[in-house]
Amino acid sequence: GEDVEQSLFLSVREGDSSVINCTYTDSSSTYLYWYKQEPGAGLQLLTYIFSNMDMKQDQRLTVLLNKKDKHLSLRIADTQTGDSAIYFCAESFYNQGGKLIFGQGTELSVKP
Amino acid sequence: EPEVTQTPSHQVTQMGQEVILRCVPISNHLYFYWYRQILGQKVEFLVSFYNNEISEKSEIFDDQFSVERPDGSNFTLKIRSTKLEDSAMYFCASSRQGSEKLFFGSGTQLSVL
Repeated sequence: GEDVEQSLFLSVREGDSSVINCTYTDSSSTYLYWYKQEPGAGLQLLTYIFSNMDMKQDQRLTVLLNKKDKHLSLRIADTQTGDSAIYFCAESFYNQGGKLIFGQGTELSVKP
Repeated sequence: EPEVTQTPSHQVTQMGQEVILRCVPISNHLYFYWYRQILGQKVEFLVSFYNNEISEKSEIFDDQFSVERPDGSNFTLKIRSTKLEDSAMYFCASSRQGSEKLFFGSGTQLSVL
C-alpha cells in the first residue's frame, strides 16, 4: 500500500543548510508536497513538486525528487531559528479525490 | 492571503455526545477535505467532498461521521456519538482542483472525556 516515511528529528545550527528526507512507496503520485507545522498551528503548504519534475527551487527552499529511488528531499538554505518546526512530506494521487498520504513529520530544531 | 478557518480551536465533549466541527474553506475552492491527527501519529485522510457529495473516504470515516456543506461558505464534520479514540486534531482543507495543492486550516483539537 501507500506509505511515506521520514526521519523524526534533525538538528542544525543557524546559518547552516538543512536537508529533510522522505521516502515513499507508491510511484503513481501526481504531486509531492512539503508542509510546515509550527507549535499550535495548522499545516502550512511550503512548496510542492509535480511528479514529472526532478527539482524545484523557491527562494531558500530546494526540492529534489528522485523517482527511481522514490526519494524526496527538502533543502533549506541559511536555516534560521524561525524555521524550527515539524516538516511533513505528503503525496497525492490522480483520481483519488485529493487524498494525501503524509509522512510522520521531521522535527527540525535550529540552534543559534 | 485567503485562508481556511476552523472553529472552535478546542472542543471538549463527553463520550457519546455529538460534535460538529466547522470550517470555512477558501472562497473560490471547489474541493473540501477533513483530515485528523491523533497525538503522536501521522496526519490521516478522512474524507473529500466535491459538488455536494463525498468523492472519497477512508476506512476511518464510518457511519458515525458525516459531512455537510449547509450553505455557500461552511463545511462541517459531524461525529454522531463520540468515542475516546476520536480525540485528535481535526484539520479542514480545501483546493481549487482535486489532487492539487491543499490549503489547511489551523485545526480543531477535539478531546473526548
